[in-house]
Amino acid sequence: GDSVTQMEGPVTLSEEAFLTINCTYTATGYPSLFWYVQYPGEGLQLLLKATKADDKGSNKGFEATYRKETTSFHLEKGSVQVSDSAVYFCALSPISSGSARQLTFGSGTQLTVLP
Amino acid sequence: DSGVTQTPKHLITATGQRVTLRCSPRSGDLSVYWYQQSLDQGLQFLIQYYNGEERAKGNILERFSAQQFPDLHSELNLSSLELGDSALYFCASSVAATGQNTEAFFGQGTRLTVV
Repeated sequence: GDSVTQMEGPVTLSEEAFLTINCTYTATGYPSLFWYVQYPGEGLQLLLKATKADDKGSNKGFEATYRKETTSFHLEKGSVQVSDSAVYFCALSPISSGSARQLTFGSGTQLTVLP
Repeated sequence: DSGVTQTPKHLITATGQRVTLRCSPRSGDLSVYWYQQSLDQGLQFLIQYYNGEERAKGNILERFSAQQFPDLHSELNLSSLELGDSALYFCASSVAATGQNTEAFFGQGTRLTVV
């Protein structure tokens, strides 16, 4: 079945540091790929997405590129802020499921940014 | 605020009991999804409804059931509760049932504690 493997946390960085959270996936065909963010006490928010190979999703300074050859969708940000502290989830949605958001999630990575 | 409302926010109940979680989707969204977030299983897709009809099923136990009503709100019923059912239950909604450009918006979740 489909699966998503993401970098174990927690990750602690200083403000303005560079962030990478690794995500790889296993799926048949060409799934859509997502990064969701969960701030404390809140639900999941879509951060960015990519629906086909070589697409780059970007939002709020975060970027991720859909790499089919390495089945990866790593999340990056050049300069993190304290307000980026949250749990980040990589997810995929199989194109063949007929269900738009039957998402398979990774285990989540807790990011803490220190001032 | 995503526009998806879940009630109650917290629920504490005893083993063997039955509870009902409620979700009101965003205005205009026809599709509702239920997810379970637990420490050992992570975030798992349970079930999807679209305009009152079951659309897709994930890792939902037979003790659990859901429905979507004519006003499009949805309820997730959990019965014969076990300690392992303690989790955060999320509802999400989207306009459409299929389509790779459909974004799902998540509620803040209901935290269920079974004692």
